[in-house]
Amino acid sequence: DQQVKQNSPSLSVQEGRISILNCDYTNSMFDYFLWYKKYPAEGPTFLISISSIKDKNEDGRFTVFLNKSAKHLSLHIVPSQPGDSAVYFCAASVDGTSYGKLTFGQGTILTVHP
Amino acid sequence: EAQVTQNPRYLITVTGKKLTVTCSQNMNHEYMSWYRQDPGLGLRQIYYSMNVEVTDKGDVPEGYKVSRKEKRNFPLILESPSPNQTSLYFCASTPSFVAGPRRTDTQYFGPGTRLTVL
Repeated sequence: DQQVKQNSPSLSVQEGRISILNCDYTNSMFDYFLWYKKYPAEGPTFLISISSIKDKNEDGRFTVFLNKSAKHLSLHIVPSQPGDSAVYFCAASVDGTSYGKLTFGQGTILTVHP
Repeated sequence: EAQVTQNPRYLITVTGKKLTVTCSQNMNHEYMSWYRQDPGLGLRQIYYSMNVEVTDKGDVPEGYKVSRKEKRNFPLILESPSPNQTSLYFCASTPSFVAGPRRTDTQYFGPGTRLTVL
């Protein structure tokens, strides 16, 4: 049973526009959420995170929004750049950290066209 | 250079032949994990370790063993590999959480090991 779901396998956007990647979860015990970016032939790299006590966290061009009642989070990238083209994974934990048990979504392939 | 290394990077083996994928980190991190990545399933955690001699199961531990005898190393052992363990494997390490303007407990992933079991 997939507790963290990314229902869009792929997303294509134009350079300079906004990219919105979505993630849904079913376990109400999740209290910490993360986004990772992965380029081909490399390991994932941490992008941004959010605790369940917040509904928004911003870091430069990246903003993560959390809607606990809907069990939904989203990653906004503004403006999108061709170098953002990668696979994006959302992940969640129940212990407020990223180093214990961590559950990932299936990933969304983002393509940013020049 | 701070890094997580995995060896081998590529491996083709046959069913039943025991193998070990090594993982080493030079950042003195307490926490380490193993994941597998499969198409349509994303990343799934196999095992994680909170410290030396402390390991725990992730979501898909069946068919795998791990050990954490030293802080820097966290090998993944497949005692009797089967074709359904053909996958891309990632090791990760994480420092302790330190409160501050920016969280420090972010995971650092290795480059991956592509394993094929025939």
